[in-house]
Amino acid sequence: DAGVIQSPRHEVTEMGQEVTLRCKPISGHDYLFWYRQTMMRGLELLIYFNNNVPIDDSGMPEDRFSAKMPNASFSTLKIQPSEPRDSAVYFCASIQGHLNNEQFFGPGTRLTVL
Amino acid sequence: GDSVTQMEGPVTLSEEAFLTINCTYTATGYPSLFWYVQYPGEGLQLLLKATKADDKGSNKGFEATYRKETTSFHLEKGSVQVSDSAVYFCALSDNTGGFKTIFGAGTRLFVKA
Repeated sequence: DAGVIQSPRHEVTEMGQEVTLRCKPISGHDYLFWYRQTMMRGLELLIYFNNNVPIDDSGMPEDRFSAKMPNASFSTLKIQPSEPRDSAVYFCASIQGHLNNEQFFGPGTRLTVL
Repeated sequence: GDSVTQMEGPVTLSEEAFLTINCTYTATGYPSLFWYVQYPGEGLQLLLKATKADDKGSNKGFEATYRKETTSFHLEKGSVQVSDSAVYFCALSDNTGGFKTIFGAGTRLFVKA
């Protein structure tokens, strides 16, 4: 298996633009997580899904952020409009669930909002 | 709610030194405990885990023992290498079905040759 795949790996955009980050979890994994990592706040859980259904979105910072999982193999995190304080590394991770709760992380998307 | 506290870094050691990174947790149930490692420019990856009290997780010379009485899961390695330089995260996961993982703040380790 190729592991968790994220795209793009780097994104540079200007304030006010829409940004869409993409994630493909490991096949057969039932849970998908979106995290944000910054030097100031560390690793923050934004939202997670189970079987494509959002379970907990309490970490989503504000209405500018939205996430979807239209099927078991694809999820998006959208920021509209983007702001400089959204600059961070965004990670997607997946878990098989059931008896295995090890998180498998993607390589991350480094977002810079100018 | 559940939480994880780990020692602040950075930790700087010479090659072949002994490493300890302290981690304590609070949890209402009986969580699984983990250590994840993050190398520069990469995502986190599992280093080791323990699923119940007194279990010892080990991998690549690293060890940690699940201590319920002290609510701790300290990471140790007898002889560090330059290639161990990374950020280490202690974490716990609820086993009651939610699978949400709580991460500590991370401890950066620098190993000098």
